[in-house]
Amino acid sequence: ETGVTQTPRHLVMGMTNKKSLKCEQHLGHNAMYWYKQSAKKPLELMFVYNFKEQTENNSVPSRFSPECPNSSHLFLHLHTLQPEDSALYLCASSQTSGSGYEQYFGPGTRLTVT
Amino acid sequence: EDQVTQSPEALRLQEGESSSLNCSYTVSGLRGLFWYRQDPGKGPEFLFTLYSAGEEKEKERLKATLTKKESFLHITAPKPEDSATYLCAVQAAGYQLIWGAGTKLIIKP
Repeated sequence: ETGVTQTPRHLVMGMTNKKSLKCEQHLGHNAMYWYKQSAKKPLELMFVYNFKEQTENNSVPSRFSPECPNSSHLFLHLHTLQPEDSALYLCASSQTSGSGYEQYFGPGTRLTVT
Repeated sequence: EDQVTQSPEALRLQEGESSSLNCSYTVSGLRGLFWYRQDPGKGPEFLFTLYSAGEEKEKERLKATLTKKESFLHITAPKPEDSATYLCAVQAAGYQLIWGAGTKLIIKP
């Protein structure tokens, strides 16, 4: 595997389900990110981890819970979601979360909440 | 307030017809401006980073330029495979990337 991988690629879940999204980066980076992408809207940063420590939480509802066990893996735990949470969820990584480092993205998980 | 605006929202060109995409920004303390390409159903793919006004970078048919207020992505003699959504993001003093909504480029053969 190379780059940034995400599983599953597609997920349909009911509002009462609990599921998790997984991200793995094979680039030797130290920072990882979760973004939400909705149609025709800018990417929304959700969480940032730098050297396994959470450094940003952009007022994300508690029904989204991130976990970063090491610098290569990132999870997003989902529970009691709302239909408006349907979107493409993107994981990214960079050398660190500091200045000037480009981020590399995974293919995303297309989430549909019914 | 830090802001990034991309224009046009969509652009249709004939194959070989050169044009430019615009990314205008208002941020305090620019630390970098990033261009990405995104194909349908995929994550954004990194293209360029520009750090200071006057800087230019090229890759195949793409050339990115930067001024103190905006960046242009010039596409020379585009081909259908250049069709994608092009995203611009700016990194300011707070280190987070501030993203534009993107320009959807369609190149017709």
